[in-house]
Amino acid sequence: AQTVTQSQPEMSVQEAETVTLSCTYDTSESDYYLFWYKQPPSRQMILVIRQEAYKQQNATENRFSVNFQKAAKSFSLKISDSQLGDAAMYFCAYYTTSGTYKYIFGTGTRLKVLA
Amino acid sequence: NAGVMQNPRHLVRRRGQEARLRCSPMKGHSHVYWYRQLPEEGLKFMVYLQKENIIDESGMPKERFSAEFPKEGPSILRIQQVVRGDSAAYFCASSPARRSFGTDTQYFGPGTRLTVL
Repeated sequence: AQTVTQSQPEMSVQEAETVTLSCTYDTSESDYYLFWYKQPPSRQMILVIRQEAYKQQNATENRFSVNFQKAAKSFSLKISDSQLGDAAMYFCAYYTTSGTYKYIFGTGTRLKVLA
Repeated sequence: NAGVMQNPRHLVRRRGQEARLRCSPMKGHSHVYWYRQLPEEGLKFMVYLQKENIIDESGMPKERFSAEFPKEGPSILRIQQVVRGDSAAYFCASSPARRSFGTDTQYFGPGTRLTVL
């Protein structure tokens, strides 16, 4: 069965600095997708970034980028120039096109941004 | 284009009552997913539905929980005879039909926070 592990329950970063959130996963599939979602105090789940496993190039969305290491089954999120509005829970999620299309989420990392 | 709509946003029930949670997918989306988030935990898959069909309910508790997505109207997650352990945030997500671009991305609603007294 597929699993997603986020080993950092909480992280802190100074405003304007860079922080990296870790995510590892376990799967026997070759075709899958990985996501990072942000959940602010409002609890709305906001898609931050998406990576297709067949693409070697790391996805980037403005200040957010990933380091996707397929062989190591690692998918970390880097936030550059951190802003106060980045403070939230961040969830890593896995999805495979074979099977039932459900997302499998990690337990989350709470990011605090210090002014 | 309106996003995924869920109502109510907050629902309070006493033990033994029924809870009905509604989800309207994004326009053009025909696939709906329900997830549950217990306090301080990640989201856990419950059920995947298409119009008038349950595709995967492997995450649904065997008793008291049911879901539907009728031809017309929103998807409904129903919890009968609620217990305190049902207190959680319930999220609905939707995606376009399969075999079209972006079918892997699910768009989430704001969630319904259920509190059972």
